[in-house]
Amino acid sequence: DAKTTQPPSMDCAEGRAANLPCNHSTISGNEYVYWYRQIHSQGPQYIIHGLKNNETNEMASLIITEDRKSSTLILPHATLRDTAVYYCIVTTGNQFYFGTGTSLTVIP
Amino acid sequence: KAGVTQTPRYLIKTRGQQVTLSCSPISGHRSVSWYQQTPGQGLQFLFEYFSETQRNKGNFPGRFSGRQFSNSRSEMNVSTLELGDSALYLCASSFSVRGGFTDTQYFGPGTRLTVL
Repeated sequence: DAKTTQPPSMDCAEGRAANLPCNHSTISGNEYVYWYRQIHSQGPQYIIHGLKNNETNEMASLIITEDRKSSTLILPHATLRDTAVYYCIVTTGNQFYFGTGTSLTVIP
Repeated sequence: KAGVTQTPRYLIKTRGQQVTLSCSPISGHRSVSWYQQTPGQGLQFLFEYFSETQRNKGNFPGRFSGRQFSNSRSEMNVSTLELGDSALYLCASSFSVRGGFTDTQYFGPGTRLTVL
């Protein structure tokens, strides 16, 4: 399974959009992009996933580039409760490799 | 629908002992995966069970084992505990009709194991 690269940390002002990038340049055609987040000392929480097309749900939007080598998770109106570590994962189904994630801090 | 539950939530053991952790998946989910999370190594995949069979396995020594019962509940066992086994152990379940991880995984709160 392909690996991902994410910035180690980001800040975002409360109420603004948080844009979290992920590089997965070795992704293969049948690998999905998943995003999870983990709030301190809790289990990871599913956010969104996609294969080729952009996706949106009640939590976030996922933008996948046309060549699928990178993606961006968008939290449209960040709140203090969105402060967490965000993991971008690509997987065919053999294994979930979480990587180090991006620690997002939402600032009041 | 109830979420993934893990018991116990906290555990303290000494080196050389063994430990068994339990996970009850979301009703209807047939796949259960286990992960170890430490500050140094992050979240690492241990193994996955589907219909009572281990389907995928991470890179952990044989001291780490698991099993799944007919009701999809799962246990993991760590024998001959070492100090480095201190970690948060997370269980995740998914519906997984096709198998593997293309189905969304839902995580439990974890069991925090401390080895003294």
